[in-house]
Amino acid sequence: DAGITQSPRHKVTETGTPVTLRCHQTENHRYMYWYRQDPGHGLRLIHYSYGVKDTDKGEVSDGYSVSRSKTEDFLLTLESATSSQTSVYFCAISESNSGRANEQFFGPGTRLTVL
Amino acid sequence: GNSVTQMEGPVTLSEEAFLTINCTYTATGYPSLFWYVQYPGEGLQLLLKATKADDKGSNKGFEATYRKETTSFHLEKGSVQVSDSAVYFCALKAGGGNKLTFGTGTQLKVEL
Repeated sequence: DAGITQSPRHKVTETGTPVTLRCHQTENHRYMYWYRQDPGHGLRLIHYSYGVKDTDKGEVSDGYSVSRSKTEDFLLTLESATSSQTSVYFCAISESNSGRANEQFFGPGTRLTVL
Repeated sequence: GNSVTQMEGPVTLSEEAFLTINCTYTATGYPSLFWYVQYPGEGLQLLLKATKADDKGSNKGFEATYRKETTSFHLEKGSVQVSDSAVYFCALKAGGGNKLTFGTGTQLKVEL
């Protein structure tokens, strides 16, 4: 299994509070991604990173920010959580964006509930 | 834009039954196509993939053929087992970069 951990695995918070989710990898892969999974929507890309300090938006980036100061860590921050951000969040990594090395490996997920 | 449409679930089958989960796509250019599987409480795992028309991806008894003329990538297995119970996602990657577009997922339940 690819070495990807996410923390916390479960979190309950209140509307308006800041929340940070962490993704940690031990594979030294260049690319990292944050997705959210919601019923009826599958997985949707929030943000991704193509290197340290290099990030870009996905299709549902509003209300989220990310940071990557080290290769192994990719943080997702909800500056002011809303109930619409209740979801399961998955981190993924890939070695490259082309060829055989572009397979994405997924972490175990974080279940976030915003009350 | 790119999109993936999957049949809605849940799909409930008896053990050893034949499985088909339909997947069709809309994309610019020539996408790569994937099936991912999510077992309960876990993240997604790549099940199989195909990168060009008429390619067949296969793994663990599952198969899918990239059909450009029908823009489809249907997942099949000849004889399902209880351990195949999971959610299956069809996905595509098109154009530059490595961003995946997922379908909504199809839950499969296999009963004895």
